[in-house]
Amino acid sequence: DQQVKQNSPSLSVQEGRISILNCDYTNSMFDYFLWYKKYPAEGPTFLISISSIKDKNEDGRFTVFLNKSAKHLSLHIVPSQPGDSAVYFCAASRSNDYKLSFGAGTTVTVRA
Amino acid sequence: ETGVTQSPTHLIKTRGQQVTLRCSSQSGHNTVSWYQQALGQGPQFIFQYYREEENGRGNFPPRFSGLQFPNYSSELNVNALELDDSALYLCASSWGGLRRDTQYFGPGTRLTVL
Repeated sequence: DQQVKQNSPSLSVQEGRISILNCDYTNSMFDYFLWYKKYPAEGPTFLISISSIKDKNEDGRFTVFLNKSAKHLSLHIVPSQPGDSAVYFCAASRSNDYKLSFGAGTTVTVRA
Repeated sequence: ETGVTQSPTHLIKTRGQQVTLRCSSQSGHNTVSWYQQALGQGPQFIFQYYREEENGRGNFPPRFSGLQFPNYSSELNVNALELDDSALYLCASSWGGLRRDTQYFGPGTRLTVL
């Protein structure tokens, strides 16, 4: 049962433009959400997180938005850079349960 | 400060065999989690160890077992290997236990079962 879904397997964006990655979840008990970035032959690298008490968290070029009523979150990357080309995973967890539930990932390609 | 390391990088086994994968946690971390990532999918939680005890388990059969040592390094053991066990196995460490914290991943071990 896939509780975290990333419905877009790939995204292509021009350098300098905005990348928007989407993630939906079904478990209303999830209260902590993370984005990880993964390059080939490397493990996922933590990017940014958000708690359910917030609806927005920003870190440099990366902003995560959370819409609890829609059970939806998104990651905005502005401006996109060639080094952002990677697979991005959305993950979620709930209080007192430290396992992460991951989506299937979105492959981002930033074109020069 | 060293990051999370895993060994070996790649491994090929045949059905029915047993395998042990190893993970060294990031310095200062006392919690380790193991994940299985099949091709085209996101990582799936196997189990977590906190201070040498299993702290939670995902939907994996008992032939998947683990250990955490006093220095917080960890092993994942898989018995009676099946073809579907072919995957990337990731470990992640954190300063967690009773406090949720960001998990930091190693590069993974690619297991191929023939």
